[in-house]
Amino acid sequence: DGGITQSPKYLFRKEGQNVTLSCEQNLNHDAMYWYRQDPGQGLRLIYYSQIVNDFQKGDIAEGYSVSREKKESFPLTVTSAQKNPTAFYLCASKGRGGLVLQAGELFFGEGSRLTVL
Amino acid sequence: AQSVTQLDSHVSVSEGTPVLLRCNYSSSYSPSLFWYVQHPNKGLQLLLKYTSAATLVKGINGFEAEFKKSETSFHLTKPSAHMSDAAEYFCVVSGGSQGNLIFGKGTKLSVKP
Repeated sequence: DGGITQSPKYLFRKEGQNVTLSCEQNLNHDAMYWYRQDPGQGLRLIYYSQIVNDFQKGDIAEGYSVSREKKESFPLTVTSAQKNPTAFYLCASKGRGGLVLQAGELFFGEGSRLTVL
Repeated sequence: AQSVTQLDSHVSVSEGTPVLLRCNYSSSYSPSLFWYVQHPNKGLQLLLKYTSAATLVKGINGFEAEFKKSETSFHLTKPSAHMSDAAEYFCVVSGGSQGNLIFGKGTKLSVKP
């Protein structure tokens, strides 16, 4: 079945360590997104990519990095510069690319929960 | 600028009674509006979307929402709640920086037996 796979589902990190969250999709979607979710805060956009080898900062990109070397993959690295990384991270994709998210539906993975010890 | 406000952070209903989750939006042009549902520790799933066609939008699992431009509202309703409806619901408007989606802070729906 087509969908978005995020791994790992749970991840623990010591302060000062970088970690990378995986996001893979087999929906043949052009656009991919990373969101951060904190309790009572809704979803906030970290980075997005509309096409391979191109990505844009979202509203809270500081302390994060991404790459888009393949259409299917959009990994997110949480760096040691991110001051409060404990959160639930959601990856999403959308078909037909396009410059803006207008009427299109986002398809979400099941999320990765990162906890900093 | 676009924004979305979910008026209740938590709604509790009894099984079999109606559900109303309230959402107001602000947009400088005709927006696209969405409702997503999230069960605990899961991703989000689209319930329904409004894209300037019919103002009453029907979604999955018996949910529907009505777009009211004069009230800038897009409230989500269901005639009869089921235990499986217990989840968090997000109202979303298109727009914002780079035209991305703007999520409300969510409404947690509890359903009592």
